Amino acid sequence: KAGVTQTPRYLIKTRGQQVTLSCSPISGHRSVSWYQQTPGQGLQFLFEYFSETQRNKGNFPGRFSGRQFSNSRSEMNVSTLELGDSALYLCASSSRTSGGLNEQFFGPGTRLTVL
Amino acid sequence: SQQGEEDPQALSIQEGENATMNCSYKTSINNLQWYRQNSGRGLVHLILIRSNEREKHSGRLRVTLDTSKKSSSLLITASRAADTASYFCATGRNSGYSTLTFGKGTMLLVSP
Repeated sequence: KAGVTQTPRYLIKTRGQQVTLSCSPISGHRSVSWYQQTPGQGLQFLFEYFSETQRNKGNFPGRFSGRQFSNSRSEMNVSTLELGDSALYLCASSSRTSGGLNEQFFGPGTRLTVL
Repeated sequence: SQQGEEDPQALSIQEGENATMNCSYKTSINNLQWYRQNSGRGLVHLILIRSNEREKHSGRLRVTLDTSKKSSSLLITASRAADTASYFCATGRNSGYSTLTFGKGTMLLVSP
């Protein structure tokens, strides 16, 4: 099986712009989660999508949004970029199991730099 | 907010030695997982231990879980230079969501 793919791998934007990141999960996985990783805050959960519906959301401002398509591919969007949005954005897919046993498979990440 | 806190923040050892990393968490969990990350790349799942398990092995990895102390440890035996990476513990909740709450990680350096 192909792993989780994320595009683009690297992105440079300026403050005020918006950006869209894409994630293709492992075939058959319907759950996609997004995480932001920064040196200061570590790995923080952004949101999770399952069957095209946002199931859970982390503590991020409304500038961060996402969606999931019928083929389980997911996109996240950040509007009005700020310098602090510079981070590695990781996407993870999983096949949801009962009881919250969620081994997640991570993509390589998109490194976003905001200038 | 971070659920898990790893200890130590950084660990430097020689090849062949064992490496032990600890993780503490705050709330009740369904499972605890350990991940490895090489140089700012994606995370690789290492091992999952359920809340009703106390110890689990996978190759050179041994994980323990003490739910009464809300802590876990990851032991890597006979470490290799290729084990150099950051290691994160992550906790899964009972809700069935795929959300994981990560600690800040332990940076392990294994010198040849």
